[in-house]
Amino acid sequence: GENVEQHPSTLSVQEGDSAVIKCTYSDSASNYFPWYKQELGKGPQLIIDIRSNVGEKKDQRIAVTLNKTAKHFSLHITETQPEDSAVYFCAASMVNDMRFGAGTRLTVKP
Amino acid sequence: KAGVTQTPRYLIKTRGQQVTLSCSPISGHRSVSWYQQTPGQGLQFLFEYFSETQRNKGNFPGRFSGRQFSNSRSEMNVSTLELGDSALYLCASSLGTGGYNSPLHFGNGTRLTVT
Repeated sequence: GENVEQHPSTLSVQEGDSAVIKCTYSDSASNYFPWYKQELGKGPQLIIDIRSNVGEKKDQRIAVTLNKTAKHFSLHITETQPEDSAVYFCAASMVNDMRFGAGTRLTVKP
Repeated sequence: KAGVTQTPRYLIKTRGQQVTLSCSPISGHRSVSWYQQTPGQGLQFLFEYFSETQRNKGNFPGRFSGRQFSNSRSEMNVSTLELGDSALYLCASSLGTGGYNSPLHFGNGTRLTVT
């Protein structure tokens, strides 16, 4: 089955800096890669996703890149703000399976 | 559009008891998935229901079961509770027609504590 590894497990940045979280997956059949943000006391919320026919996608300060050959994808957050502090999960899925990374706790220091 | 609603938000149960958690998906969503979230194990997939049928199941013991009703609402049941069942239980809904290739919409979870 699919296996997703996520790094780093914790990340601390200064407000205004960029943050990058990386994930690798094992199954080349995976073709959908969403990212979720989980704030304290809430369920994960989708922030951006990318499909295997696209190499990069951007939404304001958030971008995701996908390297199918290397089987890795990354989340990039620019100009970080304190409200970006949360746990971020990557996931890799195919039609009949979805696996999550272990999560990255991002702290943005004001 | 209303989001995914999970009830109750908090539960405290004693070992050996059973518990039922409820999930109301987003209107029009036919797939409901359940996840167990613990600090050490992350998000662990329990099962997924689509149009009242269990379509996929994770690696959990038979004490964990679920069902889906004709209006897509879902319940999960845990029998003979153990201390290790203490966790946040998350429900997620999606359109479901594309399998897992569509976004999941999570509820805020039910926090279960077993004493």
